[in-house]
Amino acid sequence: QKEVEQDPGPLSVPEGAIVSLNCTYSNSAFQYFMWYRQYSRKGPELLMYTYSSGNKEDGRFTAQVDKSSKYISLFIRDSQPSDSATYLCAMEDNQGGKLIFGQGTELSVKP
Amino acid sequence: SAVISQKPSRDICQRGTSLTIQCQVDSQVTMMFWYRQQPGQSLTLIATANQGSEATYESGFVIDKFPISRPNLTFSTLTVSNMSPEDSSIYLCSVEVNSGANVLTFGAGSRLTVL
Repeated sequence: QKEVEQDPGPLSVPEGAIVSLNCTYSNSAFQYFMWYRQYSRKGPELLMYTYSSGNKEDGRFTAQVDKSSKYISLFIRDSQPSDSATYLCAMEDNQGGKLIFGQGTELSVKP
Repeated sequence: SAVISQKPSRDICQRGTSLTIQCQVDSQVTMMFWYRQQPGQSLTLIATANQGSEATYESGFVIDKFPISRPNLTFSTLTVSNMSPEDSSIYLCSVEVNSGANVLTFGAGSRLTVL
């Protein structure tokens, strides 16, 4: 079993839709949870990160962490064609361990 | 945050040859990280490069195959040696930007195709 599982998609939605991207994990020691966005032919860029459980909102993006279920989500409201990218979840324990990435979900928002 | 320049951005290589990827950062950083991104796979850490010491390699990666140099606090190279088609991948350089959590900034990557 992989430490982090992410549905690779691809996911195609119409402009304006609400998008839900999800990851599950097995290591209960993970404390830091991140979402990276990667445009084609570019490196990943940090979108959001949260510590421990709870929600964090930044504009149209909301990150949710449910440690009891070992499940994290990224919601994108009013999705735009410019949101078309691959979204990678990543997580880390608080003991200086390395970052573990999901496979990435490819999202396409159609105008 | 740091700006990372990587080159080459892409290359097509012959089996058995070696290629060196360069990574330049616009500020001094303690650690630089090299990742591999294979199609449909997670980003995988190859090694951590510290200035003035040997790189630390992750399980499954060895120095003979992926030698790394770190001559100063702004520059590193990764060599992919004796390449085979299985080495076709995107190789990414990254640096840590937040010591509280392992938040990374990445270069644009070097896309290698081995024939």
